[in-house]
Amino acid sequence: AQTVTQSQPEMSVQEAETVTLSCTYDTSESDYYLFWYKQPPSRQMILVIRQEAYKQQNATENRFSVNFQKAAKSFSLKISDSQLGDAAMYFCASSDMGGSEKLVFGKGTKLTVNP
Amino acid sequence: EAGVAQSPRYKIIEKRQSVAFWCNPISGHATLYWYQQILGQGPKLLIQFQNNGVVDDSQLPKDRFSAERLKGVDSTLKIQPAKLEDSAVYLCASSTHDRETSYEQYFGPGTRLTVT
Repeated sequence: AQTVTQSQPEMSVQEAETVTLSCTYDTSESDYYLFWYKQPPSRQMILVIRQEAYKQQNATENRFSVNFQKAAKSFSLKISDSQLGDAAMYFCASSDMGGSEKLVFGKGTKLTVNP
Repeated sequence: EAGVAQSPRYKIIEKRQSVAFWCNPISGHATLYWYQQILGQGPKLLIQFQNNGVVDDSQLPKDRFSAERLKGVDSTLKIQPAKLEDSAVYLCASSTHDRETSYEQYFGPGTRLTVT
């Protein structure tokens, strides 16, 4: 069974600074995907970034990048040049390709961006 | 393209009453998911449909929850009778079930259910 752990219930960052959100996961599958989702107060889950486990290169999307450490089963999210609009709950999730491809989520990290 | 639609956005009911939620996925998306998100937690899958067939309902409390996806498009999730612990946000998501898109799931705005 997949498990995803986010050990930081809350984080804060100053506007324009950089913040890193942590995530560890466990899976018995060799083929899986990892995701970071953002959930603002409006509740709409928005995909921030994804990583295929078979790719060694870390994914990047504009100001968002990941540090994927497969052996350590670690998948952290770095947000550079933080903006007020980045304030939200951030969920790390995994999806095994051997089953239903359902998402298994962590408990989330609440990010506050201070002006 | 239109996103995943859900209704209602909010619902308040008393325990032991019944309630139904509706989801309209993105056009052409074969896979539809219902997740339950309890306050302070991440979403948990309740049921997954591939077209109109059930792929995974292992975490659906079948004594009170039911879901259907007639004609492989819209879906309805029902709770009967509701319990206090069913208070949560119910999220619907859909995907093309395509490896090229990493099976990306698109989420609707959710329905917030409060059981009193």
